[in-house]
Amino acid sequence: GEQVEQLPSILRVQEGSSASINCSYEDSASNYFPWYKQEPGENPKLIIDIRSNMERKQIQELIVLLDKKAKRFSLHITDTQPGDSAMYFCAASDASSSFSKLVFGQGTSLSVVP
Amino acid sequence: NAGVIQTPRHKVTGKGQEATLWCEPISGHSAVFWYRQTIVQGLEFLTYFRNQAPIDDSGMPKERFSAQMPNQSHSTLKIQSTQPQDSAVYLCASSLGGEQYFGPGTRLTVL
Repeated sequence: GEQVEQLPSILRVQEGSSASINCSYEDSASNYFPWYKQEPGENPKLIIDIRSNMERKQIQELIVLLDKKAKRFSLHITDTQPGDSAMYFCAASDASSSFSKLVFGQGTSLSVVP
Repeated sequence: NAGVIQTPRHKVTGKGQEATLWCEPISGHSAVFWYRQTIVQGLEFLTYFRNQAPIDDSGMPKERFSAQMPNQSHSTLKIQSTQPQDSAVYLCASSLGGEQYFGPGTRLTVL
């Protein structure tokens, strides 16, 4: 089955700089790639996603890139703020049927320091 | 919109006891997913329902775990004879198509 690898596991950046998290997947049938942010004691919250018919998607300071040939996708947070500190999870699924399980990466703990 | 509702938020059981976890999906969402989160294993898929029918239970441990969706407004995950390794946060998510929205989770602690 699908496996998703996420790196780095820990990321520490200066406030105002950019943060990048990288994920890779194995199943070429995967075509939906969401990113979730999870704060301590909270549930994962969907922050941005991209489908395989796109290479880039941006929502405010969040940018997602998808390279289908390399089976890699990444999240870039520009102008990071202390409120961006959290766990971030990437995931992949074969959403061709609109409903499919998500396979998650192991997570990245992001700390934004002043 | 109240979002996905999960009850209880915390449950403590003794080894060998039964635990039943409840999930109420977002109204109108036709798919319900169950995941388990631990520090070691991360977020793992367990099972999911679409229009109340079980579709994929490939992540469910074959013994002691079962899930049902008797109506469109709730799903249950039952763990019989709980073991300490079952301790985790059990997350329910609902979906209308594509995006999955998670509930607050039930933290299960098996002593």
